[in-house]
Amino acid sequence: DADVTQTPRNRITKTGKRIMLECSQTKGHDRMYWYRQDPGLGLRLIYYSFDVKDINKGEISDGYSVSRQAQAKFSLSLESAIPNQTALYFCATSDRGPVNEQFFGPGTRLTVL
Amino acid sequence: GEDVEQSLFLSVREGDSSVINCTYTDSSSTYLYWYKQEPGAGLQLLTYIFSNMDMKQDQRLTVLLNKKDKHLSLRIADTQTGDSAIYFCAERLTGTASKLTFGTGTRLQVTL
Repeated sequence: DADVTQTPRNRITKTGKRIMLECSQTKGHDRMYWYRQDPGLGLRLIYYSFDVKDINKGEISDGYSVSRQAQAKFSLSLESAIPNQTALYFCATSDRGPVNEQFFGPGTRLTVL
Repeated sequence: GEDVEQSLFLSVREGDSSVINCTYTDSSSTYLYWYKQEPGAGLQLLTYIFSNMDMKQDQRLTVLLNKKDKHLSLRIADTQTGDSAIYFCAERLTGTASKLTFGTGTRLQVTL
């Protein structure tokens, strides 16, 4: 079984709808991250969490919110989706070690019409 | 600034060496990384280098770090079709805990 899972894998929605993307991990890591990937722009950090009570904004948090329900679960919400939020979204986890290897989920492809 | 730049595309023949380049602007980076993204998948860490090193070799992979020019490169020897993917460099800055800044990614195409 995959260590980092994301649901759904694909989603098409309409402008103005509320969307939640979910991430679960079995690696036992404290740290979790949400990124979006756009062609030619690489990965950009949306939010990150270093433990259940710690939530931090990344470089592009506007229009997004997150919830860390448990050590293993970190969800990303779009309260009112807009077309420029169409992207590939990745969840990642890491431990507290110095190398900070991040383990990525398979991604969620979101299309906002 | 925290810009990490890469060229978007590289094409090589099977068996040749590939060199993927990355430039970064922040000299306080502690670790620099290369991640690989295969089609339809998330990123996986290929290798990393600590900022006090100039070179790191791991089987077919060689990482070179030039801190003076803020340049990082990944050389893949004997490139295979299975190496076709997008390669991202990333930097971790001093004092930013676990936050990484990723480059734009280089798509490597391996032809027969």
